[in-house]
Amino acid sequence: DTAVSQTPKYLVTQMGNDKSIKCEQNLGHDTMYWYKQDSKKFLKIMFSYNNKELIINETVPNRFSPKSPDKAHLNLHINSLELGDSAVYFCASSQVSRGETQYFGPGTRLLVL
Amino acid sequence: KQEVTQIPAALSVPEGENLVLNCSFTDSAIYNLQWFRQDPGKGLTSLLLIQSSQREQTSGRLNASLDKSSGRSTLYIAASQPGDSATYLCAVSDTSGTYKYIFGTGTRLKVLA
Repeated sequence: DTAVSQTPKYLVTQMGNDKSIKCEQNLGHDTMYWYKQDSKKFLKIMFSYNNKELIINETVPNRFSPKSPDKAHLNLHINSLELGDSAVYFCASSQVSRGETQYFGPGTRLLVL
Repeated sequence: KQEVTQIPAALSVPEGENLVLNCSFTDSAIYNLQWFRQDPGKGLTSLLLIQSSQREQTSGRLNASLDKSSGRSTLYIAASQPGDSATYLCAVSDTSGTYKYIFGTGTRLKVLA
């Protein structure tokens, strides 16, 4: 059983398109996260939701919009994709939002052409 | 603003060696610190979590220490094996209320058979 899963695994698209990445966790965790890992492998938090409520919203262009339909799902929608959005996007979850152990998904590799 | 640095950026060692990976952070007001492992093309796996009140944590051949006042943590790997080859990331959780993790730049480890 996969604890944190993401779809799709790979995403190749043209500039200007709109795309979504889905994340699901079956660990019963309350908190979910989106991270971006750039070409230099630097990992940075984008968003965090706790019980469907947004608790972390870093300086991210408003073209990125997270949506949490329920505790087990956190999706990421990206409008008007740009070349600089090319990266690996990781979803993660933790039991609570107090800096506990985080469990990461396998990542979605996004390439914008 | 918290910054996390890891030295060295890359390390290549023969099998069987004991090795130390270093992590330093600029703001000592942390909630906890985690060490992660990332295999190529995969997500992150949590190895050890040290609470700010703790000095060290051990799991198998891994030992992580924390010196909060000096802003340092080390990950000690005993009797390294080729299977230990991966990128190791440390991350510190802040005390601002969001407990978000700030990740280091990573150390790419290669253990030669």
